[in-house]
Amino acid sequence: NAGVTQTPKFQVLKTGQSMTLQCAQDMNHEYMSWYRQDPGMGLRLIHYSVGAGITDQGEVPNGYNVSRSTTEDFPLRLLSAAPSQTSVYFCASSSANEKLFFGSGTQLSVL
Amino acid sequence: GEDVEQSLFLSVREGDSSVINCTYTDSSSTYLYWYKQEPGAGLQLLTYIFSNMDMKQDQRLTVLLNKKDKHLSLRIADTQTGDSAIYFCAESPDVGSARQLTFGSGTQLTVLP
Repeated sequence: NAGVTQTPKFQVLKTGQSMTLQCAQDMNHEYMSWYRQDPGMGLRLIHYSVGAGITDQGEVPNGYNVSRSTTEDFPLRLLSAAPSQTSVYFCASSSANEKLFFGSGTQLSVL
Repeated sequence: GEDVEQSLFLSVREGDSSVINCTYTDSSSTYLYWYKQEPGAGLQLLTYIFSNMDMKQDQRLTVLLNKKDKHLSLRIADTQTGDSAIYFCAESPDVGSARQLTFGSGTQLTVLP
């Protein structure tokens, strides 16, 4: 059972570089979301999607873009990375009225 | 806005009980959750409680909810070294809003042999 798969597991970027964090789920979940985890701050919601073609902003959306062209995939794009985006990123998915399933995370460092 | 607070660290001896506490501010919170995060892994749902309940027990885990004081606790009986992890409290207005969870900062539980 693959569940929620995130790639890459680790990434180092220079300030101003762009990259895409990949997230895929094989459970046919309608809801997908991206969180960032920072020390002492828990998880904060970046963007979420309630279905293919629909996305919305969470608590900390600035500097990130998302798209949901398929039910399975929900990539997170950093257009111009900044040191403040150094964090651990988690993708999660769920069906309506069901619990969240989390990926194993992507550790991103921006120098 | 919503706020969920937890103490950052807790250490217990193997075999003792652990109690992890959480307070929240949103009076419309309907579901309250406990997640466990092991090193290098994502979060796993341990248990959750609906706001019309005072207590929920699941094997070694007991969740207590004091809705008046907006206080949630997780008790782990007979704590084992495998229970060492970060425990997150979270709340949402309804279970269908799993995407709208508000998380606490997490409590690092260390179990000493």
